[in-house]
Amino acid sequence: AQSVTQPDIHITVSEGASLELRCNYSYGATPYLFWYVQSPGQGLQLLLKYFSGDTLVQGIKGFEAEFKRSQSSFNLRKPSVHWSDAAEYFCAVAGGGKLIFGQGTTLQVKP
Amino acid sequence: GAVVSQHPSWVICKSGTSVKIECRSLDFQATTMFWYRQFPKQSLMLMATSNEGSKATYEQGVEKDKFLINHASLTLSTLTVTSAHPEDSSFYICSAADRASYEQYFGPGTRLTVT
Repeated sequence: AQSVTQPDIHITVSEGASLELRCNYSYGATPYLFWYVQSPGQGLQLLLKYFSGDTLVQGIKGFEAEFKRSQSSFNLRKPSVHWSDAAEYFCAVAGGGKLIFGQGTTLQVKP
Repeated sequence: GAVVSQHPSWVICKSGTSVKIECRSLDFQATTMFWYRQFPKQSLMLMATSNEGSKATYEQGVEKDKFLINHASLTLSTLTVTSAHPEDSSFYICSAADRASYEQYFGPGTRLTVT
């Protein structure tokens, strides 16, 4: 069965520091992968997606993610975090016409 | 870009009453819409998938008689929580998928509080 695991429930980084949020998936075929961000009390905003092609994907707000099939991973990165990046981040895989979400990672940014 | 709206953004109702939440795709036609429920500090839980003009497909454990879903047009889906109880209090989010994409566009969510 398809599944997504985000190993880190909560991450705290200092403003200006680099960030990597981990995502591992389980899916039999070529996965369609997504990263979403959710601010408190809001819906989800798509940061980036991977369907095929170049395994390094650029997204909005300076985020990027790298698809590594051998590791079944799709980690999200940002070279320099801003205070406004504090939010909940969800990794998801599309399967069977649905999105399967990870548990989410809460990002806290220290000034 | 694709925009999905939800109405209302928040609602408070009394136990035993019914509440209807609307989800609209504003600038594209959504053949499929999804309804999610999210508890505080948790991930999204898919409740049901609705296709325009047909009955919704509910996930295991979701009461279809309690959570009525209607997808009467390509731009509108509604979720009605019938005979609401305090345990139905939650954040409900809808999403819409366009005809040719795996991508879902999410609404801003509706906060339901049942007193």
